[in-house]
Amino acid sequence: DADVTQTPRNRITKTGKRIMLECSQTKGHDRMYWYRQDPGLGLRLIYYSFDVKDINKGEISDGYSVSRQAQAKFSLSLESAIPNQTALYFCATSDRSNQPQHFGDGTRLSIL
Amino acid sequence: QKEVEQNSGPLSVPEGAIASLNCTYSDRGSQSFFWYRQYSGKSPELIMSIYSNGDKEDGRFTAQLNKASQYVSLLIRDSQPSDSATYLCAVNSAYYGNNRLAFGKGNQVVVIP
Repeated sequence: DADVTQTPRNRITKTGKRIMLECSQTKGHDRMYWYRQDPGLGLRLIYYSFDVKDINKGEISDGYSVSRQAQAKFSLSLESAIPNQTALYFCATSDRSNQPQHFGDGTRLSIL
Repeated sequence: QKEVEQNSGPLSVPEGAIASLNCTYSDRGSQSFFWYRQYSGKSPELIMSIYSNGDKEDGRFTAQLNKASQYVSLLIRDSQPSDSATYLCAVNSAYYGNNRLAFGKGNQVVVIP
């Protein structure tokens, strides 16, 4: 089983819908991250969390919200999806500062 | 100024040759440096970590770090078709207390059989 699991793997939805992407991990890491990746723009950080009570905005948090339900679970919500949020979304975890991040398999999200 | 830059365009190398990738970074306080490999439509996979100046070798991969010049490079020896992928350079951001990674946009490598 994957150490970092993202669900769903693919999602097609309509403009205005509320979407939740979920991430769970078995690595025992405290730090969790949400990124989106767009062609030509690379990976951009949306939100990150260092423990259950800690949530931080990244570069592009507008239009997104997150919830850290437990050490192992970090979900990303799009309250009212819009087409320019169509992208590949990745969850990642890390052990502590200066350590690498480990990525889930990603969610391909298409908003029509 | 971008935090992490990977300026080279797609790199085509013959099978068996050495592929060389370069990355520069702007945050002089950065302490940890990573290379990720990403196949099309897949997630980034960590292939190298380097923390101190010099070379670090792992199989066919060698990472080179020069903090004074603020660059990190990746060499892939005896390139194989399976090495065809995009390689992402990532640098921890001291500006954010070493708690965030800054990623370059990646370099595509195509290994020609």
